[in-house]
Amino acid sequence: DTGVSQDPRHKITKRGQNVTFRCDPISEHNRLYWYRQTLGQGPEFLTYFQNEAQLEKSRLLSDRFSAERPKGSFSTLEIQRTEQGDSAMYLCASSPLRGQGKVSPLHFGNGTRLTVT
Amino acid sequence: AQKITQTQPGMFVQEKEAVTLDCTYDTSDPSYGLFWYKQPSSGEMIFLIYQGSYDQQNATEGRYSLNFQKARKSANLVISASQLGDSAMYFCAMREDLAGGTSYGKLTFGQGTILTVHP
Repeated sequence: DTGVSQDPRHKITKRGQNVTFRCDPISEHNRLYWYRQTLGQGPEFLTYFQNEAQLEKSRLLSDRFSAERPKGSFSTLEIQRTEQGDSAMYLCASSPLRGQGKVSPLHFGNGTRLTVT
Repeated sequence: AQKITQTQPGMFVQEKEAVTLDCTYDTSDPSYGLFWYKQPSSGEMIFLIYQGSYDQQNATEGRYSLNFQKARKSANLVISASQLGDSAMYFCAMREDLAGGTSYGKLTFGQGTILTVHP
């Protein structure tokens, strides 16, 4: 179990640029989640996948955001035409469908911190 | 829709004392799970404890216990014998259980409580 890996750890970009983040989940985990966390707040759900299928996307998510998990393994989150309000920590998490009995907690990566200038 | 409320922005506790972090929730789902996570200043989210809505007994994991009061819709975290390393942000979260508990939905998080342990 090598844990959830996210790349890059930090990203600074200018307003209007596109950015892409990558997440490698724990290998046997079917579920993959993206969350956004701003300073002093709890993580806010963005979207999640079961294998390669995107099962749910937050209604609050702008159409500038898109996520993919093409082969049911790693996932990418792209933000187009970034705005200063997009500055946040982007967290990826994975979980098995049924593990540890009914618990199946989410295992989080260390996040990608995005700063839009 | 699910909602988690943590009303304590910050809490202070003396080392070796016990502390309770409050969490209330709102859901119309008949089956759900409640989680607590710890987030130290380094940023990683660490799973602490889980309580299922149909569990008869309160969950315990080492120094962590969950005071689950279903009728009041509360799921407070109790940390006994606080240590300096317990200083962190703590999040309560809820997950809906789908299809009779055979599938799980997303986690919804509260706003968090910053715990500071004094020596």
